[in-house]
Amino acid sequence: RKEVEQDPGPFNVPEGATVAFNCTYSNSASQSFFWYRQDCRKEPKLLMSVYSSGNEDGRFTAQLNRASQYISLLIRDSKLSDSATYLCVVNTGRRALTFGSGTRLQVQP
Amino acid sequence: GAVVSQHPSRVICKSGTSVKIECRSLDFQATTMFWYRQFPKQSLMLMATSNEGSKATYEQGVEKDKFLINHASLTLSTLTVTSAHPEDSSFYICSARVRTALGEQFFGPGTRLTVL
Repeated sequence: RKEVEQDPGPFNVPEGATVAFNCTYSNSASQSFFWYRQDCRKEPKLLMSVYSSGNEDGRFTAQLNRASQYISLLIRDSKLSDSATYLCVVNTGRRALTFGSGTRLQVQP
Repeated sequence: GAVVSQHPSRVICKSGTSVKIECRSLDFQATTMFWYRQFPKQSLMLMATSNEGSKATYEQGVEKDKFLINHASLTLSTLTVTSAHPEDSSFYICSARVRTALGEQFFGPGTRLTVL
């Protein structure tokens, strides 16, 4: 079983739609959580950290459920520029963060 | 966020040559940096952890004699792909974690290596 699991997608949604991604992690001792975004042929970039109480940044809302060990990312009012791969990332206590394989989003006009 | 630079951004070389990639943390000190490789349409794969002033720690299956890592200062790590072959063609990305409570990781822009 992978330490961080994500649905690879692709999620094809029209502009303006709301889309949600989920991710599960296996290590219950994981300490911090993030969503990264990776565009095609580019490096991953930090999108947002995920806090236990849930947090919002503009159109993006991240939530953490420690009991069920899952993390979610909600994108409202999708834009064409949101098309990318979204990586669920977990700090399991190792030196490097643990990355999920990513969920691909394609927003269509 | 923290800034990590990487050079070169792209390199094309002949089979058998060695290629050196530099990774620098520009606005913070990084005692630890990480090197990843990513093949087209595949996930990031951690190759090794670069430790300032000591030997790198390699992930299982990564040949340490082929991928030489040197972390001579708190802001610079280098990866040398020795005797490169076409199967080494990939996107190589370095990364460093910042010393905050959450420990975010920031990436360099990557180096696209093509071995002919």
